Amino acid sequence: NAGVTQTPKFRVLKTGQSMTLLCAQDMNHEYMYWYRQDPGMGLRLIHYSVGEGTTAKGEVPDGYNVSRLKKQNFLLGLESAAPSQTSVYFCAISPLIAGARETQYFGPGTRLLVL
Amino acid sequence: GENVEQHPSTLSVQEGDSAVIKCTYSDSASNYFPWYKQELGKRPQLIIDIRSNVGEKKDQRIAVTLNKTAKHFSLHITETQPEDSAVYFCAATLSGGYQKVTFGIGTKLQVIP
Repeated sequence: NAGVTQTPKFRVLKTGQSMTLLCAQDMNHEYMYWYRQDPGMGLRLIHYSVGEGTTAKGEVPDGYNVSRLKKQNFLLGLESAAPSQTSVYFCAISPLIAGARETQYFGPGTRLLVL
Repeated sequence: GENVEQHPSTLSVQEGDSAVIKCTYSDSASNYFPWYKQELGKRPQLIIDIRSNVGEKKDQRIAVTLNKTAKHFSLHITETQPEDSAVYFCAATLSGGYQKVTFGIGTKLQVIP
């Protein structure tokens, strides 16, 4: 039972390149989230999903796209990377059950450097 | 939308002393307040939480208090130890079909041996 995993752990991109970050979970949770973490700014929500086949925008969605074709996977895409997207990206999950869905479980993070 | 302010941004205490981190929130409808601990290079992990129908909650050396009228909540760590050194995030959550969580900017706690 790995919980929440993220691939890759670290990546260096050149401006304009594209990439996809993968979040995978084996806890069968409905909700999945992508955050970015920057110094002095805490955790900011990029996109989220409340179930397979559904996605929605969060606080800072510009420059990112997401897909959730399978319940256990949530993909974050950068079509044309910019230096401003240099950050640590965290995936999080939470269950559907009322009273428990507020608690989010985080993945280990992906460190992205855009040159 | 919800706004969560957290202070101080950095805090240094001597081992064995207490540490207090304070957060305020803006949306009176928020009803769930978790605290996350993030060690260097690691993921945030939930350490304690409190719901709006409770004023205080304790778990060994950590406690959280909530003042709904003033819209602020605090994390208290007693008898601090070096392993308490980390960044602590507060958050406020508006319950509903989707759990919108707004995080504070974090407090870097350093416990000096």
